[in-house]
Amino acid sequence: AQTVTQSQPEMSVQEAETVTLSCTYDTSESDYYLFWYKQPPSRQMILVIRQEAYKQQNATENRFSVNFQKAAKSFSLKISDSQLGDAAMYFCAYRSPFISSGSARQLTFGSGTQLTVLP
Amino acid sequence: DGGITQSPKYLFRKEGQNVTLSCEQNLNHDAMYWYRQDPGQGLRLIYYSQIVNDFQKGDIAEGYSVSREKKESFPLTVTSAQKNPTAFYLCASSIDSRDEKLFFGSGTQLSVL
Repeated sequence: AQTVTQSQPEMSVQEAETVTLSCTYDTSESDYYLFWYKQPPSRQMILVIRQEAYKQQNATENRFSVNFQKAAKSFSLKISDSQLGDAAMYFCAYRSPFISSGSARQLTFGSGTQLTVLP
Repeated sequence: DGGITQSPKYLFRKEGQNVTLSCEQNLNHDAMYWYRQDPGQGLRLIYYSQIVNDFQKGDIAEGYSVSREKKESFPLTVTSAQKNPTAFYLCASSIDSRDEKLFFGSGTQLSVL
């Protein structure tokens, strides 16, 4: 079974600065998908960015980028020019590329990192 | 606007009572999912459905039941067999089970009286 670990329960960053959130995972699969989700106080899960394991190029979405290191099984999220609206709980998640027999093709989530943005 | 609607936002359950959480989507998605979130933890899959009239158990299905009689609807019943039902419940959908992007509803907070 896959596991996802987020070792930073809480992080803080000054507005306009850059912050990096860490995520490691464990899998025996060679092809998979990785995601970062944001959960603001409204508690709705919002997809921030996703990475396909077979793509070597790191994904980027505006101020959000990832550092994907497949051999190290590491998938960190970098937020540049942090804004007050970035304050939220951030979850790293893993998903298999196919349905294994008898199991759901589910998202496996880490425990989350609470990000505070200081004005 | 297309999206996923969960209701109610807050729900209270008495001991021994079954309660049903509603999830409706107008995205024309085939696949739908129910997740449970406990404080300080990530989401865990309860049930999922790939198509109408089909559903499968996730990691923590015990004490829960679902139905998928219509494409748009995937209600979750928390039965009296679920001894620790207090949690935040999120419904999600995707175009189909192969699609990577999940769309989430705004959730239902269930508490025990």
